Amino acid sequence: DGGITQSPKYLFRKEGQNVTLSCEQNLNHDAMYWYRQDPGQGLRLIYYSQIVNDFQKGDIAEGYSVSREKKESFPLTVTSAQKNPTAFYLCASSIGGSGRATYEQYFGPGTRLTVT
Amino acid sequence: AQSVAQPEDQVNVAEGNPLTVKCTYSVSGNPYLFWYVQYPNRGLQFLLKYITGDNLVKGSYGFEAEFNKSQTSFHLKKPSALVSDSALYFCAVRDIESNAGNMLTFGGGTRLMVKP
Repeated sequence: DGGITQSPKYLFRKEGQNVTLSCEQNLNHDAMYWYRQDPGQGLRLIYYSQIVNDFQKGDIAEGYSVSREKKESFPLTVTSAQKNPTAFYLCASSIGGSGRATYEQYFGPGTRLTVT
Repeated sequence: AQSVAQPEDQVNVAEGNPLTVKCTYSVSGNPYLFWYVQYPNRGLQFLLKYITGDNLVKGSYGFEAEFNKSQTSFHLKKPSALVSDSALYFCAVRDIESNAGNMLTFGGGTRLMVKP
């Protein structure tokens, strides 16, 4: 059963703690992405990776970090430096990451992070 | 730079009536355009895309979208709405000429409410 999995679905943390969100895909996609969604707002790109061992900052990378050591995995760490970490986090992947890629992105079910 | 606007925060329609969710875009070159749907506490699901060719694109669940280059629009349509179509809809664009991988820019989303 192919797809993208994100765990956990709900995550609660105390302010000042780092937390890592998991994203795994078995679609054999090269590119992976992390987005943040806030109530009533669209998606904002945090980080993306077009190939293993390479990743780029998106529009709102401050306070976040990622790694891409394996093709199927792209974990996101929300650090204590992120001022407003409470949000819905979405991971996505797509076939191609460069050139005239026409490929749609496929999304995981999301992780809702609440920091108090 | 690429951008997307969804001018309506919410669209209300009666079941059985046709629906339209509006999207306009701005790119420096030619666009690739996408529509996604999001149900509560879920990830985004791909509905359809315009890459080239016929301006009327058919997608999942009976949805279609019309690409209008002169008006820079890509409105989502369905001839007969169902209550189960009630969800959050996102339009996304990618500039063909962009060198930034398969980066999509998302609109702010439109909530569709279909009343029985």
